[in-house]
Parts: sequence; C-alpha cells; structure tokens
Amino acid sequence: QVQLQESGPGLVKPSQTLSLTCTVSGGSISSGSYYWSWIRQPAGKGLEWIGRIYTSGSTNYNPSLKSRVTISVDTSKNQFSLKLSSVTAADTAVYYCARAPRRVGGPFDYWGQGTLVTVSS
Amino acid sequence: QSALTQPASVSGSPGQSITISCTGTSSDVGSYNLVSWYQQHPGKAPKLMIYEVSKRPSGVSNRFSGSKSGNTASLTISGLQAEDEADYYCCSYAGSSTLVVFGGGTKLTVL
Repeated sequence: QVQLQESGPGLVKPSQTLSLTCTVSGGSISSGSYYWSWIRQPAGKGLEWIGRIYTSGSTNYNPSLKSRVTISVDTSKNQFSLKLSSVTAADTAVYYCARAPRRVGGPFDYWGQGTLVTVSS
Repeated sequence: QSALTQPASVSGSPGQSITISCTGTSSDVGSYNLVSWYQQHPGKAPKLMIYEVSKRPSGVSNRFSGSKSGNTASLTISGLQAEDEADYYCCSYAGSSTLVVFGGGTKLTVL
C-alpha cells in the first residue's frame, strides 16, 4: 500500500520561501508509472493544483503559480519537494502531495494526509 | 474563483439520491472524458471516488456513479447514507498547458 507523507515548517514569514517534502513509502518513486503532484487547499476553500514532477525530473506547473514554484525529486530518498517563493498570506493553506498514474488526465489516486502551512510574521 | 463550477451545497435524506453538477467549458470537461470526483471528510485528505467520468476505483461503493453531458459532469449518490456527508470536488484534465482544474467543491448534507 503506497503512503505519502508531507513534512516541513508549519510557519513561514511573508516574502520567504515555503519548502515542503513528500516522502513516499510502499512503492518506488522511480517506477516510472506515476506523476507526483502538489495540491493545496486554503481553509474553507477548494483544491488548487500546484504542479507535478516525473521521476526523470520533468515538471509541469499551474500557470498561475509557475513563476514562484519549483518541484524537484530525490529518487535516492524516495522523496519529492516543493519550493514556493515570495509567499504572502494568500499562500496559507493545507498542502497535499499526491500520486497520479502517468497517462493523460490520470486521477490522483493516493494522497498524503496534508500539512498546514501558515504565512505570518 | 475555481475553473469548474459546482453548487455550494446539496442535501438529501437517507436512502434518497442526489446529484452534484460540475460545469466547465469546451476546453476542459467538454473536450475530454477525464473528469474525476473526490470525497473529503473534515480534516481528511481527499479520496478518489470516480475517474474518467464514470469509472469507480476498487473499493468504492457502486452507490456512486458519474456521467457527463457536454460541458457538465455529474456525480450521483444513490441510497444516501450518513457517512456520505462530506465535501465533493470535481476535477478535469484541461489540456496540455493548464493540465488540471478543480471545482470549488460541494458540501453534501445528509438530513
């Protein structure tokens, strides 16, 4: 059974960079069969896809966040990471990592439990 | 403002059926049979309930079904149960540039 677990600071100051890591267990991130995504959810609001990475390091980002987002992968640790720069209060949200099969429009079939990141001074 | 439009709330009594709509455009829902639906209980991660418009993952009750007509996808839950009370989100493939769009979510209340 694949499990995903987010980790990282729960509090980030405005203008700084938010950094999170997703550790995958029960399966290899290098299997080549999946995309690995970040999705966020502000309190009381809907889901927003941030971006994804493939095991090769190839990435795709939400156009609305593309200028501030970097997603990377560390296959040796079975982890992938998110960096979001120049954060503001609007970036306060629960951040989820999720897996999707590597095909066009593949659904998010496994999710992490989510981690709350608050942007505040 | 979310890319896909869902009603903010729907409600139904135990045993009844409800339908949640998800309206997009010809650039997403209307062009691809790649709509998925997620159930989210308070404080929990979303759970995949329907993919590719009408397919159910293993383990998901057959009380959940999906369909699509034009730019609007729908999730139907039959035989409502108390445990179905949750937020539901639709999601669609939106082409090679945007890739993924979500709906704003619908709160289902079981009366």
